[in-house]
Amino acid sequence: NAGVMQNPRHLVRRRGQEARLRCSPMKGHSHVYWYRQLPEEGLKFMVYLQKENIIDESGMPKERFSAEFPKEGPSILRIQQVVRGDSAAYFCASSLNRDTVRGTEAFFGQGTRLTVV
Amino acid sequence: QQQVKQSPQSLIVQKGGISIINCAYENTAFDYFPWYQQFPGKGPALLIAIRPDVSEKKEGRFTISFNKSAKQFSLHIMDSQPGDSATYFCAASKGNTGKLIFGQGTTLQVKP
Repeated sequence: NAGVMQNPRHLVRRRGQEARLRCSPMKGHSHVYWYRQLPEEGLKFMVYLQKENIIDESGMPKERFSAEFPKEGPSILRIQQVVRGDSAAYFCASSLNRDTVRGTEAFFGQGTRLTVV
Repeated sequence: QQQVKQSPQSLIVQKGGISIINCAYENTAFDYFPWYQQFPGKGPALLIAIRPDVSEKKEGRFTISFNKSAKQFSLHIMDSQPGDSATYFCAASKGNTGKLIFGQGTTLQVKP
């Protein structure tokens, strides 16, 4: 049973380009979460998606960032017109259902390290 | 009110010693408190988690102590080993959101 798969592992973009980060959740998981980790900091929640729906995007910057989780295929985090401050590790997690109180673990991928030059 | 504060920022322990990491939260609606372990270049992995209806949970060498009235919880690593050297994050969430609020992380180094 493959874990959460993220690709690419490393991504280098020039300022102004677009970055597309992909996340395939664990088999059977329909809930996906994206987090951002800046150097020497903890993970910050960005967005929570279920198939074809954005459930909570309270952590997403208002501009340039968008996320989707289509019926078929991976979840995509898209950053338009990247700036140096977007350089970070972006982690995706998936869970079987949204209620973590019932002990449904959020499994994290290995992350995509985005470097903006 | 959404913050989770974690201390210390870094910790050095001798092999065989006890590592203790503390977290405090403000939002009394939080009802799930996991600890994650992260090695360099890897994603966080769930270590152990607790709900507020118990004061302690133990899994192997790892123990969570939970103090609901003080809004604090801590991770104890008994008989610490060099392989435990990693960054540890506490987190909290409300059960019906599935969204984790993470502490700032503690870098643990266990010296042989």
